[in-house]
Amino acid sequence: GAVVSQHPSRVICKSGTSVKIECRSLDFQATTMFWYRQFPKQSLMLMATSNEGSKATYEQGVEKDKFLINHASLTLSTLTVTSAHPEDSSFYICSARYREDQPQHFGDGTRLSIL
Amino acid sequence: GESVGLHLPTLSVQEGDNSIINCAYSNSASDYFIWYKQESGKGPQFIIDIRSNMDKRQGQRVTVLLNKTVKHLSLQIAATQPGDSAVYFCAENDRMEDSSYKLIFGSGTRLLVRP
Repeated sequence: GAVVSQHPSRVICKSGTSVKIECRSLDFQATTMFWYRQFPKQSLMLMATSNEGSKATYEQGVEKDKFLINHASLTLSTLTVTSAHPEDSSFYICSARYREDQPQHFGDGTRLSIL
Repeated sequence: GESVGLHLPTLSVQEGDNSIINCAYSNSASDYFIWYKQESGKGPQFIIDIRSNMDKRQGQRVTVLLNKTVKHLSLQIAATQPGDSAVYFCAENDRMEDSSYKLIFGSGTRLLVRP
């Protein structure tokens, strides 16, 4: 149980392109989903928290207009990296949680490479 | 802010031996802790969790110990196998000022299993 699917697993695109990443909880309802960014050999850095049906809460330093998050249903959240540039290249990981006192379950990440 | 940290960045063990990965936390109010395993190119995978009303919890080949007195958490892996090679993160489910809960990750320990 507690499977989170993230798609696509890898994206390579040109600078200026917008990229959408999907995160789905397959076997549970995720009241809250999270988006992280991870640099090589480092821990996960929380970018934003999204609750179903409401606006996402962004961490300090994360541009909300750059990283658009939509949590339209209890099983789907999307992250759109708008007008991506090479510095946005990274490993993006989503997680989903059923309840606050339950663990977050993670997707397998999206490797984003901007040329 | 408060953080969760690890003593050893890399741990090398012989296949078949037991592994112990340690984690120190600083928020004495924390009441829920989680261990994750992250293999190369994948998202973190839930291993085991423990709440502050317990000092030990066992899973399949894994045991988590919690010492609230010294604010220390450990993950023990019995009969370590090559498939256990990964980076292990401890995480603390912290309550924020806005009453939301977020994971605070440690820096990670890389476990290398020698054949």
